[in-house]
Amino acid sequence: AQKVTQAQTEISVVEKEDVTLDCVYETRDTTYYLFWYKQPPSGELVFLIRRNSFDEQNEISGRYSWNFQKSTSSFNFTITASQVVDSAVYFCALSFMYSGGGADGLTFGKGTHLIIQP
Amino acid sequence: DGGITQSPKYLFRKEGQNVTLSCEQNLNHDAMYWYRQDPGQGLRLIYYSQIVNDFQKGDIAEGYSVSREKKESFPLTVTSAQKNPTAFYLCASSSFRSRGYGYTFGSGTRLTVV
Repeated sequence: AQKVTQAQTEISVVEKEDVTLDCVYETRDTTYYLFWYKQPPSGELVFLIRRNSFDEQNEISGRYSWNFQKSTSSFNFTITASQVVDSAVYFCALSFMYSGGGADGLTFGKGTHLIIQP
Repeated sequence: DGGITQSPKYLFRKEGQNVTLSCEQNLNHDAMYWYRQDPGQGLRLIYYSQIVNDFQKGDIAEGYSVSREKKESFPLTVTSAQKNPTAFYLCASSSFRSRGYGYTFGSGTRLTVV
């Protein structure tokens, strides 16, 4: 069975601070995908990043960066110089990758509510 | 623009009534999914379908039913057997055939049963 743990239920920081959201996953599969999504108050899920289990390269996209470490089964997300618009619930998710590259349904963590105070 | 349309955005029903949530996609994705979200909780998989006329139960399928008669449509029926139907429901589709693979989510339907 797959499991995703986001131990931080809520994080509150002051604008311009850096903040890291933790994600630890469990799976017996050797091939899988990892995702991060942002959910603003409107409820829609906004895709942020996808990683497959073959690729442990860290990624940076503007103020966002992701640290994928298979050795510790972690896929952490850092926001640098946070802004009020970053306030949202962030979800980490995992799915099994089929041999042809397709995927199964997503297993989500419970989410981290990030509050950026002005 | 391609995407997923969920309707209605808000839905109110009386206890004991069945209700059907609509999900339509024009992305030509093979797979479609239904998730349920409760306050302070992550999303949990209800049902999914990898191809037309086939679907599988997810983690919390009891009290729900689905159909997949067309590739574009994956309606979810919340039956009277579902004990706590009030929740936020998200539909998704996926394709992993091209470089931009991944999941696309609809904007959700908030169901309230009174």
